[in-house]
Amino acid sequence: QPALTQPRSVSGSPGQAVTISCTGSSDDVGGYKWVSWFRQHPGKAPQLLIYDVFKRTSDVPDRFFGSKSGNTASLTISGLQADDEADYYCCSYRGTNVGSHVVVFGGGTKVTVL
Amino acid sequence: EVQFLESGGGLVEPGGSLRISCAASGFTFSGSAMAWVRQAPGKGLEWVSSTSSIGGNKYYADSVTGRFTMSRDNSKNTVYLEMNSLRVEDTATYYCAKAYHDIIVLPDLYWGQGIPVTVSS
Repeated sequence: QPALTQPRSVSGSPGQAVTISCTGSSDDVGGYKWVSWFRQHPGKAPQLLIYDVFKRTSDVPDRFFGSKSGNTASLTISGLQADDEADYYCCSYRGTNVGSHVVVFGGGTKVTVL
Repeated sequence: EVQFLESGGGLVEPGGSLRISCAASGFTFSGSAMAWVRQAPGKGLEWVSSTSSIGGNKYYADSVTGRFTMSRDNSKNTVYLEMNSLRVEDTATYYCAKAYHDIIVLPDLYWGQGIPVTVSS
């Protein structure tokens, strides 16, 4: 069972906006600023889109917007395009009560462009 | 240009061992934490392990603790994952990735293409 909860799928028409949620706990998403989002096309390695909750990597357009409220992070994709059809994963740092440092992922959300 | 040369994957029987490797170039490897992430067929991403830039600190997912060991050789710009007592559920594509920070060991921008590992009798 993935540590972070994402919807299995979301869909939208070209030009519309979709939002993917990622719900964790105060031990991960809610407690730290280190939340990332990855996109993965079939048969390809994941691609980093967003880090530190809202920062975009250099080649990611501003159609991609990351945010966080409490224990839930969100990725909004506006102006949906055909190439946005892919699997999206959230990822968070998790601190532990034994002083270790671990990483948790969400189960992934398939974005379908209608 | 960042590149990863991955090797060592393949078919192994349950209970067996395997070591996979990932040689990196195009970024300051010795100053970078590294991570392994896996993906079972048709499933999502699962973090496996991370190591700090010098290799003194290593972190593991509960599912592999005691069975997997991550190491690195900064003279060869290479990270390794030694996998013992392999189980059918360890079948996955294993990705090496540069990590964000020595403590905040999230995978970040650079990922390899993946090493397929199959555990089956």
